[in-house]
Amino acid sequence: DTGVSQDPRHKITKRGQNVTFRCDPISEHNRLYWYRQTLGQGPEFLTYFQNEAQLEKSRLLSDRFSAERPKGSFSTLEIQRTEQGDSAMYLCASSLAYSSYEQYFGPGTRLTVT
Amino acid sequence: AQSVSQHNHHVILSEAASLELGCNYSYGGTVNLFWYVQYPGQHLQLLLKYFSGDPLVKGIKGFEAEFIKSKFSFNLRKPSVQWSDTAEYFCAVTPSGNTGKLIFGQGTTLQVKP
Repeated sequence: DTGVSQDPRHKITKRGQNVTFRCDPISEHNRLYWYRQTLGQGPEFLTYFQNEAQLEKSRLLSDRFSAERPKGSFSTLEIQRTEQGDSAMYLCASSLAYSSYEQYFGPGTRLTVT
Repeated sequence: AQSVSQHNHHVILSEAASLELGCNYSYGGTVNLFWYVQYPGQHLQLLLKYFSGDPLVKGIKGFEAEFIKSKFSFNLRKPSVQWSDTAEYFCAVTPSGNTGKLIFGQGTTLQVKP
């Protein structure tokens, strides 16, 4: 399968702990997006990269959240000092820039903060 | 702020019934429009998209959508639903020439009874 992959698929953590998620986009895609989805809602944009540059961050992304894409390939999303309100599905998507903006989504990482 | 509104949160239909899911967006400029679908246990996948040209677009699995600029709407239709169409449907927009980040509606859960 050469689609977008995310790891882990599920994460349970205690409040106050740090967590890190990984996303591997489709190999030739230079844009990578992170979204967050809570129950009963559509995905909300968090941040995106073009190659290794982080070009936009949502106001939803507090300073406890940081994302990287060090070599323009995979990306990590870290949440420090997790809170119960961080419990959600974290989705990664990738696309080609300057094309049809069609984004391909990964399966997501479901985070539960206890 | 840009937003997307899906009028129906939960729709229940019998097989062979016709489907129309409403989607309205708020943005004054040119937009690209999408419908994504999430089947149970699967990740988000693109159903259809509109960028320009014929406002009636056809997607996979017999779905179509009509862009009505004057009404800021992009409603999804299917003449005859099947049990396998049971899924969650999301409308999304992105301003043309922008970062490509998607703004999603809250989703509509479609349940098709056999």
